[in-house]
Amino acid sequence: QKEVEQNSGPLSVPEGAIASLNCTYSDRGSQSFFWYRQYSGKSPELIMFIYSNGDKEDGRFTAQLNKASQYVSLLIRDSQPSDSATYLCAVNVNFGNEKLTFGTGTRLTIIP
Amino acid sequence: ETGVTQSPTHLIKTRGQQVTLRCSSQSGHNTVSWYQQALGQGPQFIFQYYREEENGRGNFPPRFSGLQFPNYSSELNVNALELDDSALYLCASSLSQAFSYEQYFGPGTRLTVT
Repeated sequence: QKEVEQNSGPLSVPEGAIASLNCTYSDRGSQSFFWYRQYSGKSPELIMFIYSNGDKEDGRFTAQLNKASQYVSLLIRDSQPSDSATYLCAVNVNFGNEKLTFGTGTRLTIIP
Repeated sequence: ETGVTQSPTHLIKTRGQQVTLRCSSQSGHNTVSWYQQALGQGPQFIFQYYREEENGRGNFPPRFSGLQFPNYSSELNVNALELDDSALYLCASSLSQAFSYEQYFGPGTRLTVT
């Protein structure tokens, strides 16, 4: 079982709709969770982080964490063509600056 | 822009050679992590440096080594390059303190080994 799993996609969503990206993780001791956006040929860009169960909203983005079920999700409302990218889920087991474990990413395409 | 810089942008090396990649962390950050990202994969953790000391290492052989300097910049050295070392090498900068665990990536160095 992979430590962090994501559906590789591609996920196609019409412009203006809600894109829903999911991620599951295997280590129950995981403490902090991150979503990165990566455009083709570029480096990952941090867009959301969440440390507590529940929802966290930032503009059009909402991160949802359920530690009991070991999943974290990212919702993108009012999807725009500029949201087309690969979204990487990353997990940190310790509350400290140690390694992030990444999933393989979900490729999202917003259809105009 | 994260304020994290990396050099060089691209590099082509021959199998068996050695390479040094450089990273300058974001102002105020004291921790640098290095990741390797192969095509189509998520980044893989190589190691992390905090206050000039290695603070965790991933599943990479000893020919991958690093340094962190007093100004918190860092180097990644890879000896005896192999074809499989071809990848995007990412440096991530962070501030090691309570309730702040976010890592911010630089633009990366694309290494090609022929």
